[in-house]
Amino acid sequence: GAVVSQHPSRVICKSGTSVKIECRSLDFQATTMFWYRQFPKKSLMLMATSNEGSKATYEQGVEKDKFLINHASLTLSTLTVTSAHPEDSSFYICSARAGTPQSTDTQYFGPGTRLTVL
Amino acid sequence: AQSVTQLGSHVSVSEGALVLLRCNYSSSVPPYLFWYVQYPNQGLQLLLKYTSAATLVKGINGFEAEFKKSETSFHLTKPSAHMSDAAEYFCAVTLLSGGYNKLIFGAGTRLAVHP
Repeated sequence: GAVVSQHPSRVICKSGTSVKIECRSLDFQATTMFWYRQFPKKSLMLMATSNEGSKATYEQGVEKDKFLINHASLTLSTLTVTSAHPEDSSFYICSARAGTPQSTDTQYFGPGTRLTVL
Repeated sequence: AQSVTQLGSHVSVSEGALVLLRCNYSSSVPPYLFWYVQYPNQGLQLLLKYTSAATLVKGINGFEAEFKKSETSFHLTKPSAHMSDAAEYFCAVTLLSGGYNKLIFGAGTRLAVHP
């Protein structure tokens, strides 16, 4: 299957700082990328969806000014957690898919990034 | 709206025993259904997907799932469990919202395999 990478795999930061997480599709063009958040022993919660070159669409309840998403190319999306606080600590997982926004093609998932805010 | 319900947050089986993980869906349109597996501290890996081509779908690692419209179910099975199958399993359905087709996940089922 297609490969999606995330960097870093783990990050620890101080409260009030910003953290950037990168998501890359290594062997296909990801026209659509998704960012999820997963709490311990819980399911994945979709945060936002982005199309290459367009603004991200955020799910209800997700602060777009806090979770900045950039999808500048067909292989790279970034999630920046701004002014991070301990409650932002979580496992963040990206996913990428080829095709149109309405495509039902397979979504490929990155390995996740564990964010800990002290 | 589309959704999935996974019955049983924890399932425990013996090595070599049948694995059955339950998923029921709700959809107003013909659904696309998926099963993903997640190993500790890792992302999700696709096991199999149903796209209406065939009701019995075979996936990786010996898993398969059967789409039953009459029961609105898409249960995941494996004839003989291995220790390496211990993981979290998620059922998902696609939802068209805001111009995008998105995956909506169930709560997950943690599979434990004991000797």
